[in-house]
Amino acid sequence: GDSVTQMEGPVTLSEEAFLTINCTYTATGYPSLFWYVQYPGEGLQLLLKATKADDKGSNKGFEATYRKETTSFHLEKGSVQVSDSAVYFCALSPLSGTASKLTFGTGTRLQVTL
Amino acid sequence: NAGVTQTPKFQVLKTGQSMTLQCAQDMNHNSMYWYRQDPGMGLRLIYYSASEGTTDKGEVPNGYNVSRLNKREFSLRLESAAPSQTSVYFCATAFGQGGDTQYFGPGTRLTVL
Repeated sequence: GDSVTQMEGPVTLSEEAFLTINCTYTATGYPSLFWYVQYPGEGLQLLLKATKADDKGSNKGFEATYRKETTSFHLEKGSVQVSDSAVYFCALSPLSGTASKLTFGTGTRLQVTL
Repeated sequence: NAGVTQTPKFQVLKTGQSMTLQCAQDMNHNSMYWYRQDPGMGLRLIYYSASEGTTDKGEVPNGYNVSRLNKREFSLRLESAAPSQTSVYFCATAFGQGGDTQYFGPGTRLTVL
């Protein structure tokens, strides 16, 4: 079945450091890929998405590129802020272009310090 | 617009008790989902409803039932709660048969003693 593997956290960075959170997936066909963020005490919010190979999703300074050859969708940000502290989830949907029946990774907690 | 709302926010049950978690959306979305979130497990799909009048099992449906009451509301029922059902429960919605984004409610934290 489909699966998503994320790097284990927590990830602790100083403000303005570069962030990479690794995500790899296993799926048949052409899934859509997502990054969701969960701030303390809240539900998940979509951060960015990519629906086909080589697409780059971006939002709020975060980026991720859909790499079919390496089955990866790594999240990056050039300069993190304290306000980015949250849990980040990588997810896939088996149907291209949709968010149906998402499979989530286990989440990576990011802590940014001054 | 409230988006996706869930009630209650917190609940403590004793083993064997029953309860219903409520989810409502004002986004006119067709698809609705129930997930549970456990430490180290990410989110796992319990049940989903692709449209009003239909429901299907997800990855972890045992011990749960759902009702898609109308287009707006999707409830999750625990008939006989067990400690293994201690979790945070999230409802989500999406446009169409899946849409391109799922929108999540704030969650219900359930503890079963």
